[in-house]
Amino acid sequence: GESVGLHLPTLSVQEGDNSIINCAYSNSASDYFIWYKQESGKGPQFIIDIRSNMDKRQGQRVTVLLNKTVKHLSLQIAATQPGDSAVYFCAEDGSSNTGKLIFGQGTTLQVKP
Amino acid sequence: EAQVTQNPRYLITVTGKKLTVTCSQNMNHEYMSWYRQDPGLGLRQIYYSMNVEVTDKGDVPEGYKVSRKEKRNFPLILESPSPNQTSLYFCASSADSRGAQYFGPGTRLLVL
Repeated sequence: GESVGLHLPTLSVQEGDNSIINCAYSNSASDYFIWYKQESGKGPQFIIDIRSNMDKRQGQRVTVLLNKTVKHLSLQIAATQPGDSAVYFCAEDGSSNTGKLIFGQGTTLQVKP
Repeated sequence: EAQVTQNPRYLITVTGKKLTVTCSQNMNHEYMSWYRQDPGLGLRQIYYSMNVEVTDKGDVPEGYKVSRKEKRNFPLILESPSPNQTSLYFCASSADSRGAQYFGPGTRLLVL
């Protein structure tokens, strides 16, 4: 079945460095992808999204890259700050048109001061 | 402030005692959904609603009911809770089924 996975359960970076969080998906028909950030005790917070007709999208300090050839998604965070420490999830829409999002297991980002 | 709210945030109950978790959004979104989050299983969809009076099952609907009588509200009902429904529940909404979903703060439920 379809699944969305993240390559590393934990990523530790130094404050000020750039972070790259990776995600592999298996449903080649998915055409919409979202990155969420979840802080302890809170709900997932929308960060950035991308549709399959694009391969790159930039936001404030974040960039999402989509490589449909190898079914890979990444989130880049520039100048990582302590407030970026959280669990990051990628999600795909699975092309079901039901709005159901298929979530990966998440990567914990730890920012060292 | 645009937001999704859930109540209660924390709930301890006993097996078989009916409960309702409320969800409300103030963004005039058509699409609403309920997810549960469990360690090792991630976020899984319970039920969703494309619009008022339109609801459908997600991946794990057993033991749950929902209703969508008004656009802004989407309550989750557990008619006879069981311990395997102990979980963290999230309500989410989006403008339509093809857009980004915005999540509420979560409801942590413990069924004894």
